[in-house]
Amino acid sequence: EIMLTQSPGTLSLSPGERATLSCRASQSLSSGYLAWYQQKPGQAPRLLIYGASSRATGIPDRFSGSGSGTDFTLTISRLEPEDFAVYYCQQYVGSPTFGPGTKVDIK
Amino acid sequence: EVQLVESGGGLVKPGGSLRLSCAASGFSFSSYTMNWVRQVPGKGLEWVSSLSPTSSYIYYADSVKGRFTISRDNAKNSLYLQMSSLRAEDTAVYYCATETTEGWYFESWGQGTLVTVSS
Repeated sequence: EIMLTQSPGTLSLSPGERATLSCRASQSLSSGYLAWYQQKPGQAPRLLIYGASSRATGIPDRFSGSGSGTDFTLTISRLEPEDFAVYYCQQYVGSPTFGPGTKVDIK
Repeated sequence: EVQLVESGGGLVKPGGSLRLSCAASGFSFSSYTMNWVRQVPGKGLEWVSSLSPTSSYIYYADSVKGRFTISRDNAKNSLYLQMSSLRAEDTAVYYCATETTEGWYFESWGQGTLVTVSS
């Protein structure tokens, strides 16, 4: 099973700031088979990024994904009030596994 | 608009059974591989099971293998999860989700249904 770790556990930032979230896999993810999701309290996860760097339909361009191999990054260029949430990465090389999440909260 | 509506959650005793349903609309349900993903309240996400469009391919997480059964009725645009021998650690919100044709990630999600296993 491919394990994912995410850092930091919590990121405290102000609106307008840049957020950089990290996801590391226990083994290389071929073809960049990594997705990112956003989840707000009481809501289902929402797909943001797939294939490590492709934005899902309707996702604003302030969200970007990068990385390859074992190290991946989700960047939010300028935080909007609605971006404060928990973010999960997920690999799909084998059976899907998720990282533990990074909470982005308001400083 | 894609809609996935889960139902069937509730309180069940350890060792008991429960059947979850997911009603789909707004897309061609019979063309999509469907999945169940669960989340312990306040914790992370765990993939549970996957079922291909014609039920040819079925996959389960090791944690539920032998206890849970995924099925679908394409005529009714519905996905099911039969859960038996339930344990306290199965307590979670259960989401149904569509799998994309490009990879095993999840494009659309329902709102979830809470299953609580407790005596």
